[in-house]
Amino acid sequence: GENVEQHPSTLSVQEGDSAVIKCTYSDSASNYFPWYKQELGKRPQLIIDIRSNVGEKKDQRIAVTLNKTAKHFSLHITETQPEDSAVYFCAAETSYDKVIFGPGTSLSVIP
Amino acid sequence: EAQVTQNPRYLITVTGKKLTVTCSQNMNHEYMSWYRQDPGLGLRQIYYSMNVEVTDKGDVPEGYKVSRKEKRNFPLILESPSPNQTSLYFCASSLRTRSEQYFGPGTRLTVT
Repeated sequence: GENVEQHPSTLSVQEGDSAVIKCTYSDSASNYFPWYKQELGKRPQLIIDIRSNVGEKKDQRIAVTLNKTAKHFSLHITETQPEDSAVYFCAAETSYDKVIFGPGTSLSVIP
Repeated sequence: EAQVTQNPRYLITVTGKKLTVTCSQNMNHEYMSWYRQDPGLGLRQIYYSMNVEVTDKGDVPEGYKVSRKEKRNFPLILESPSPNQTSLYFCASSLRTRSEQYFGPGTRLTVT
């Protein structure tokens, strides 16, 4: 079946440094790739998304890149802040509208 | 206020006792979905619905049922719960496919 791999599972960075989380997907027909942030004890919330006809998207300190050929997409957070500490999930939506999430990355930003 | 609501928020039950977790959204969203979240496994889709009377299996549908009789409601039914269904459950909705999903607050289910 379809799956989404996500690395690393944990990431610790110093405040102000950049953080990168990488995902790969198996279904080449996937066409929508959202990223969700989940703070401790809270529900996931969308932080950025990208569609298959776009290679890169940026929103302030957050950017996502997509390489369809390699079936790979990445989240980049620059100038990290303590409030960026959370679990981040990538996901891929298949051509028949099923959503597959990665296992998550726990990001810790050290002040 | 635009929101997704789930009830109950916490539930402890025994093996085999049928239960229903309700989910409702007030945003006129077409797409609704149920997920379970387990440590190290992320969010796994149980069932999804693209519109009224249209439901499809996600990755882990075994042991669960859903229905979509009205656009705003998407209940999750466990006919005979087992301990391996102990988990955190999230309902989510989105305006359409391939768009932002809004998650409910979650339901913590324990089956003993």
